[in-house]
Amino acid sequence: EAQVTQNPRYLITVTGKKLTVTCSQNMNHEYMSWYRQDPGLGLRQIYYSMNVEVTDKGDVPEGYKVSRKEKRNFPLILESPSPNQTSLYFCASSFSSGREKTQYFGPGTRLLVL
Amino acid sequence: GNSVTQMEGPVTLSEEAFLTINCTYTATGYPSLFWYVQYPGEGLQLLLKATKADDKGSNKGFEATYRKETTSFHLEKGSVQVSDSAVYFCALSDQGGGNKLTFGTGTQLKVEL
Repeated sequence: EAQVTQNPRYLITVTGKKLTVTCSQNMNHEYMSWYRQDPGLGLRQIYYSMNVEVTDKGDVPEGYKVSRKEKRNFPLILESPSPNQTSLYFCASSFSSGREKTQYFGPGTRLLVL
Repeated sequence: GNSVTQMEGPVTLSEEAFLTINCTYTATGYPSLFWYVQYPGEGLQLLLKATKADDKGSNKGFEATYRKETTSFHLEKGSVQVSDSAVYFCALSDQGGGNKLTFGTGTQLKVEL
């Protein structure tokens, strides 16, 4: 089954404790992206990657890091989480060329930073 | 820059009622337009899309028409069901088929018996 998976689905942590949220897709997509969803703000892009070893900032990158060492994986790293990073996070993937660029989303990771 | 504005919710309807969720956008050129749906506890799923002016996207009884003259992409359904209760997001991607999506704030729909 074609899908985007994220782990963990739920996470409670404390300020300053480094964490990683994993994202993996099995559709051979070049493009991957992270979004955060906050009430009244919709989804905002954090980082994206056009292909392996190619990453770039989205609209709200402060406090986050990403890496793209393999095509299927795109982890989101919070080196020193703060309470304002409490949010619902989504990973998405799609092809980066050609006509079909529909983005497929993971199930989400709900993060609470105390 | 690009932006998407959609009507605030929650929208509460009785089953079999007609649904309209308004969406307008600001973008240069001819972006592609999308409606995504988020069911409780799940990720976003593509509901429908349109890639050029006057195109009509449709799926599961939902429709939306790309109106360049009014920069709108309103979502409609003739008869909603309880199972349609979800949050609906309007989104656009840049002209030329870019990957980045710009989302509206989402509209929660509640359908009651």
